[in-house]
Amino acid sequence: SQQGEEDPQALSIQEGENATMNCSYKTSINNLQWYRQNSGRGLVHLILIRSNEREKHSGRLRVTLDTSKKSSSLLITASRAADTASYFCATVPSGSARQLTFGSGTQLTVLP
Amino acid sequence: NAGVTQTPKFQVLKTGQSMTLQCAQDMNHNSMYWYRQDPGMGLRLIYYSASEGTTDKGEVPNGYNVSRLNKREFSLRLESAAPSQTSVYFCASRWTGSPSNEKLFFGSGTQLSVL
Repeated sequence: SQQGEEDPQALSIQEGENATMNCSYKTSINNLQWYRQNSGRGLVHLILIRSNEREKHSGRLRVTLDTSKKSSSLLITASRAADTASYFCATVPSGSARQLTFGSGTQLTVLP
Repeated sequence: NAGVTQTPKFQVLKTGQSMTLQCAQDMNHNSMYWYRQDPGMGLRLIYYSASEGTTDKGEVPNGYNVSRLNKREFSLRLESAAPSQTSVYFCASRWTGSPSNEKLFFGSGTQLSVL
């Protein structure tokens, strides 16, 4: 079963706008990661946030984590057409297993 | 630096045929993984190898076998392919020696169709 679920499933915005994607998960985690997948390609790691962190930035990316609500959000500011891709959250559970479990993804389309 | 290399990129099989998907990484990672990706399902873990010489089942291991041939290579075998195994398969690797660096590196995928 999927640990993480992204919302919305699909998002279409204009270039220059901000894009926000949400991820909810079920069990306690060690960390949460976001990945991007361009059409027909493998996934590329974007950012990792630990369970004791609340917010993290990387360039135009901002990730928040609320462990009490078991949720995370990914904000892409000033979006570009090149940001068009699917975005996945992945969680690493607490404990010894430590295998990543992926959500079903958000398809982002940035219109020029 | 090639990263994670998967072969083949595309494959069409008939029901009952067998095949092996190959994966190699050149980043000296200790852990390697096989995922399958189906529309609307995200990625599901098939098998993984935490270190050379060990393999473990993931979420959807039925119908598959794996071999960690050495530190670089991790193959996935379908002994008797079924239409339900039509999917895109991704190999990934990571270094798990440091909790601060647990990101996965992915290959470009193998699109498999079983008729």
